Amino acid sequence: KAGVTQTPRYLIKTRGQQVTLSCSPISGHRSVSWYQQTPGQGLQFLFEYFSETQRNKGNFPGRFSGRQFSNSRSEMNVSTLELGDSALYLCASSLGAASGAAGTQYFGPGTRLTVL
Amino acid sequence: AQSVTQLDSHVSVSEGTPVLLRCNYSSSYSPSLFWYVQHPNKGLQLLLKYTSAATLVKGINGFEAEFKKSETSFHLTKPSAHMSDAAEYFCVVSDRGTGNQFYFGTGTSLTVIP
Repeated sequence: KAGVTQTPRYLIKTRGQQVTLSCSPISGHRSVSWYQQTPGQGLQFLFEYFSETQRNKGNFPGRFSGRQFSNSRSEMNVSTLELGDSALYLCASSLGAASGAAGTQYFGPGTRLTVL
Repeated sequence: AQSVTQLDSHVSVSEGTPVLLRCNYSSSYSPSLFWYVQHPNKGLQLLLKYTSAATLVKGINGFEAEFKKSETSFHLTKPSAHMSDAAEYFCVVSDRGTGNQFYFGTGTSLTVIP
């Protein structure tokens, strides 16, 4: 099976712009989670989508949003970019369960976002 | 509440010597525990996972970890370090109270000295 893919791999934006990142999960996986990784804050959970519904949300401002499509592909959007949004954004997929039970997450290579 | 503490931010070992990366967790329920490895500019790769079966878990590349409930620990070990093991290692906890949400430790950077 193909792994989790993320596009683009690298992005450079300027403050105030918005950006959309894409994630394609492993075939058959219904849950997609997003994480932000920075040297100062480490890995922080953004949100999780399961069957096109946001099921969990981390402690990030409303500028960060996401969605999931019927084929389980997911996008996350960051509006009004700030310098502090520069980070590696990681997507992870898992089989997921309707009950919300934990499952092994498989990570993509990430999108490196630089905000100038 | 769930949390993970990785007790060492940096560990250095000589090639061929044992590796020990320490992790303590807190969880309100029976936890699932994971170790992931991240090489520079790469995503996270699953090393091993514990999900309430055998307490000694074997993973890829010769790594293993032991779940000790009484000590709330899940330390990662390897008998003999290889140069390719140099990377960042993350301990992760999840339980039914968190749904599918992972809680990551702050990471341990492993250096392998030739």
